[in-house]
Amino acid sequence: DQQVKQNSPSLSVQEGRISILNCDYTNSMFDYFLWYKKYPAEGPTFLISISSIKDKNEDGRFTVFLNKSAKHLSLHIVPSQPGDSAVYFCAASLSFGNEKLTFGTGTRLTIIP
Amino acid sequence: KAGVTQTPRYLIKTRGQQVTLSCSPISGHRSVSWYQQTPGQGLQFLFEYFSETQRNKGNFPGRFSGRQFSNSRSEMNVSTLELGDSALYLCASSGRWQTTDTQYFGPGTRLTVL
Repeated sequence: DQQVKQNSPSLSVQEGRISILNCDYTNSMFDYFLWYKKYPAEGPTFLISISSIKDKNEDGRFTVFLNKSAKHLSLHIVPSQPGDSAVYFCAASLSFGNEKLTFGTGTRLTIIP
Repeated sequence: KAGVTQTPRYLIKTRGQQVTLSCSPISGHRSVSWYQQTPGQGLQFLFEYFSETQRNKGNFPGRFSGRQFSNSRSEMNVSTLELGDSALYLCASSGRWQTTDTQYFGPGTRLTVL
């Protein structure tokens, strides 16, 4: 039972344009959401997070949007850069500080120069 | 500050054998979590240790076990290996109540079961 889903296994975006990565979840008890980026041969790196009491969180070029009623979150990267090419995972936990993260299967983002 | 280190980086075993993986957390971090990454399944939570005690556990069979030492280093053991255990095993550390940040992952151990 996949509680966190990333339905797009891959995405290609032109450099300088906006990249939008999507994530859906089924467990309404999830309270805290995170995005990680992963390069080959490296562990995932934390990007940005959002608590369920917010609907938007911004950090530089990265913005995460949360729609609780739709159980949907998205990561926007503007403008997209070649170094953004990686696999992106969304993750959810039952509360902030709860180390048990439930991950999606990932979306491979390729930025085309 | 040194990051999370995992040893070995690569491992090849045969079915039925057992394996032990090691993880050294970031200095000062007391929580260590383990994840299994397989193609198509994403990262799946195995367990979390904090102050030598298992605090959280995922849905894996009892062949998967772990422990944490007083210096916060953690080991994960898989007994009676099966082909399906081939995966990238990642560990992550966090300061838990010491920081407001999240988990920091190591590079992983790639286990291949033949």
